[in-house]
Amino acid sequence: AQRVTQPEKLLSVFKGAPVELKCNYSYSGSPELFWYVQYSRQRLQLLLRHISRESIKGFTADLNKGETSFHLKKPFAQEEDSAMYYCALVAGGTSYGKLTFGQGTILTVHP
Amino acid sequence: NAGVTQTPKFQVLKTGQSMTLQCAQDMNHEYMSWYRQDPGMGLRLIHYSVGAGITDQGEVPNGYNVSRSTTEDFPLRLLSAAPSQTSVYFCASRAWGGGGPGANVLTFGAGSRLTVL
Repeated sequence: AQRVTQPEKLLSVFKGAPVELKCNYSYSGSPELFWYVQYSRQRLQLLLRHISRESIKGFTADLNKGETSFHLKKPFAQEEDSAMYYCALVAGGTSYGKLTFGQGTILTVHP
Repeated sequence: NAGVTQTPKFQVLKTGQSMTLQCAQDMNHEYMSWYRQDPGMGLRLIHYSVGAGITDQGEVPNGYNVSRSTTEDFPLRLLSAAPSQTSVYFCASRAWGGGGPGANVLTFGAGSRLTVL
């Protein structure tokens, strides 16, 4: 069975500082990984997915199969980045897999 | 498009009462699912459906029932509410099958906050 672990429940940084939200996964095959974000009073929404290899709102995430990680990074955090972040995994090679979510990390960016 | 609509947004129940959380989507998505969100536990899958008439259990199905009579609707029923079911419930949907940028990307509802006393 697949598992997603986000070791930090809470993460606080100051504006302009680099931020890294950790995500580790357990899955024997080739996974597809996502980061979802929930801003205050907004719905959960997709932030980025590893197969797109894109930067969204300055965030990037690289899939490291050797370390089974998919950490989310941003070089200069902004106050508007404060939100709940979820890492999620679906079995690779399918387009109908169930998404497994991590426990979530609440990011607070202080002015 | 309204996307995914959940009702009610808030509900308070007494232990043993039953109720139904409603979920509707207007995107013609085949796949619909229910998650519960609890502090420190993340989002856990309760039940899901890959099309009308087809449902299956997720990670935490006990105490919940679902049915899928139409593509648009996927109600979640609490048969006999318990305090352990106090949570925020999210309905989410996506297109089923195929590839492309939308594959496996969930569209979420706004959530339903349930308190069981």
